[in-house]
Amino acid sequence: DTAVSQTPKYLVTQMGNDKSIKCEQNLGHDTMYWYKQDSKKFLKIMFSYNNKELIINETVPNRFSPKSPDKAHLNLHINSLELGDSAVYFCASSQGAGSNSPLHFGNGTRLTVT
Amino acid sequence: QKEVEQNSGPLSVPEGAIASLNCTYSDRGSQSFFWYRQYSGKSPELIMSIYSNGDKEDGRFTAQLNKASQYVSLLIRDSQPSDSATYLCAVTDTGGFKTIFGAGTRLFVKA
Repeated sequence: DTAVSQTPKYLVTQMGNDKSIKCEQNLGHDTMYWYKQDSKKFLKIMFSYNNKELIINETVPNRFSPKSPDKAHLNLHINSLELGDSAVYFCASSQGAGSNSPLHFGNGTRLTVT
Repeated sequence: QKEVEQNSGPLSVPEGAIASLNCTYSDRGSQSFFWYRQYSGKSPELIMSIYSNGDKEDGRFTAQLNKASQYVSLLIRDSQPSDSATYLCAVTDTGGFKTIFGAGTRLFVKA
């Protein structure tokens, strides 16, 4: 029943490791996003895909690589993790890029880098 | 200048009072405006969307939009302790491709 689901919910890892977060939506939406929420709770867009095509790539280190195998899935791979990557990462979806429709968020993945 | 600005609060109101949350934005071409509520440790959930100037009411919530002043507000009537959360103002950019969030206002409703 879950509309936007992401795994894992928690991720604790050491500096230098590589990790992935997976996201799936069953809303039939065309557009998916990754947002990062830092310790001050500020939500900042990282990437957006529309029908598997990258349409937004904010100023994010190239250690972060998103991948969308189909329009219902959007994964995020992070290489060489750093302390500053610790945050909550939210996947979201919306009806379509440019449609001005609201975002539907997953439950978030809390990443802690030690 | 921040793209979406909100007073970070905390805003404290007694139970039953009206809570007033405000937001300004910088992109004059923005077409869509949203209020999300985020409880601690949870994901943001949409509570109101507004697309044209004026007021939009949904239950105890009223969103107000003034595009000329680049100002959006949210009123919560008959505030309840369960309304205590962080309220995020969000605005789409001119093309509607990107939703930009403010830093959020923390609201406390005292019983």
